Amino acid sequence: DAGVIQSPRHEVTEMGQEVTLRCKPISGHNSLFWYRQTMMRGLELLIYFNNNVPIDDSGMPEDRFSAKMPNASFSTLKIQPSEPRDSAVYFCASSLGGVGLTKTQYFGPGTRLLVL
Amino acid sequence: KQEVTQIPAALSVPEGENLVLNCSFTDSAIYNLQWFRQDPGKGLTSLLLIQSSQREQTSGRLNASLDKSSGRSTLYIAASQPGDSATYLCAVYQGAQKLVFGQGTRLTINP
Repeated sequence: DAGVIQSPRHEVTEMGQEVTLRCKPISGHNSLFWYRQTMMRGLELLIYFNNNVPIDDSGMPEDRFSAKMPNASFSTLKIQPSEPRDSAVYFCASSLGGVGLTKTQYFGPGTRLLVL
Repeated sequence: KQEVTQIPAALSVPEGENLVLNCSFTDSAIYNLQWFRQDPGKGLTSLLLIQSSQREQTSGRLNASLDKSSGRSTLYIAASQPGDSATYLCAVYQGAQKLVFGQGTRLTINP
C-alpha cells in the first residue's frame, strides 16, 4: 500500500489567499484525521471523520478553516482567507478505528504551509 | 483539559546505552496511550500502542509502560543505535480516537 498521500508537500502563499490541502487515506481505512504541528503548540488534532462523517471539529481554530470528506478516499482541508499564523505543517492520518475502537493511526508525510 | 508533558525535551547519549524517555499526563481517565517516532521532515510512525487495561508493551528493543493511576508512561530503549535518533512523541487517547500529544523528546545517539 502507498500509505497516506498528501498534496501538495509544500505550499507558499500570500496572506488572504485560499489554501486547499488534500489527503488520500489508506484504502479500507474508515477514519481520517487532520493535525497541525507548530513549534509553539506542538501537534494538535483539528478534526476527524468516521465513515466520511465529521465526528469532532473542536480543534478547528476558527471559521476560516473547513474540512470535507466527500468519499472514503479523499479529504480536503481549506483555509480561507489564510493568515501568517496559519503557517505550520499539516498532517493527515487514517486508521481502521471507530466509535469506541482504538486502532493505530498512520500518518502522511505532511504539507508544509508558509503564509507570507 | 488534558496536558501531556515529556521530559527531557532533548537527550544525547553514546551508542549502546540503555535509556528511558518519560511522559506524564494530567487526567488519568485516558482510553489508551501511544508512542510515536518522528524523523526530521517526515510524518509520524507508531511504535507502541498500550491499551488502558495493559501495563506495558514490547516491540524489539522498545518497551513502553503505563501507570494510569500516577499519570505516567515510560519508553525504554535498549542498546541504542544511531538509527534511533529522532523525536519521540507520547500521545494519550481522550476517547477511542482523539489523540493529545506531548511536545516530544529529541533524541540523539552518538556513534
